[in-house]
Amino acid sequence: GAVVSQHPSWVICKSGTSVKIECRSLDFQATTMFWYRQFPKQSLMLMATSNEGSKATYEQGVEKDKFLINHASLTLSTLTVTSAHPEDSSFYICSARRRDRLNTEAFFGQGTRLTVV
Amino acid sequence: DAKTTQPPSMDCAEGRAANLPCNHSTISGNEYVYWYRQIHSQGPQYIIHGLKNNETNEMASLIITEDRKSSTLILPHATLRDTAVYYCIVRLYSGNTPLVFGKGTRLSVIA
Repeated sequence: GAVVSQHPSWVICKSGTSVKIECRSLDFQATTMFWYRQFPKQSLMLMATSNEGSKATYEQGVEKDKFLINHASLTLSTLTVTSAHPEDSSFYICSARRRDRLNTEAFFGQGTRLTVV
Repeated sequence: DAKTTQPPSMDCAEGRAANLPCNHSTISGNEYVYWYRQIHSQGPQYIIHGLKNNETNEMASLIITEDRKSSTLILPHATLRDTAVYYCIVRLYSGNTPLVFGKGTRLSVIA
């Protein structure tokens, strides 16, 4: 199956700093990638839809100025958590579907565990 | 997208078949049933999907009732590595829409 890679796998940062998470589709092109957040013992919550070459679409309650999404190419989307606070500590996961097979399964990255201290 | 209902948890003995049910009584005609699983601290892994016919692949079998209001994921010979949270999701066939996750079923495979 197709591979989606996230980097870093985990990161610890100080409160008030910004953290960038990368999501790459390694062997396929994706015009759209999705970003999720997962708190302990909870399910995945969709944060935003990242569209190549255009602005991301954010879910209700997700601050677009805090979670900056850039989708500059067909294989890379980045999520930047700006001015991170301890409550932003979570497991962030991206997913993508093949550009040429939109009606097939989505592939997920391995996730990035963010800890803000 | 239609909602799904799954039991919060299930146990299964190692080597036995694990049968995970999912209720999707409001599913529409053009919605597929997808199953994913998430092993602790990893991203979700695709398992199988189907529309109305039963499906089988190297990981599992998917049995969809004739009225499509429910389905069952079958892991034929569960191993300890199958311990995970299993998510049943219904999604429109067309368009690049995201998967919306419910709470899933936590399957514990016991030696």
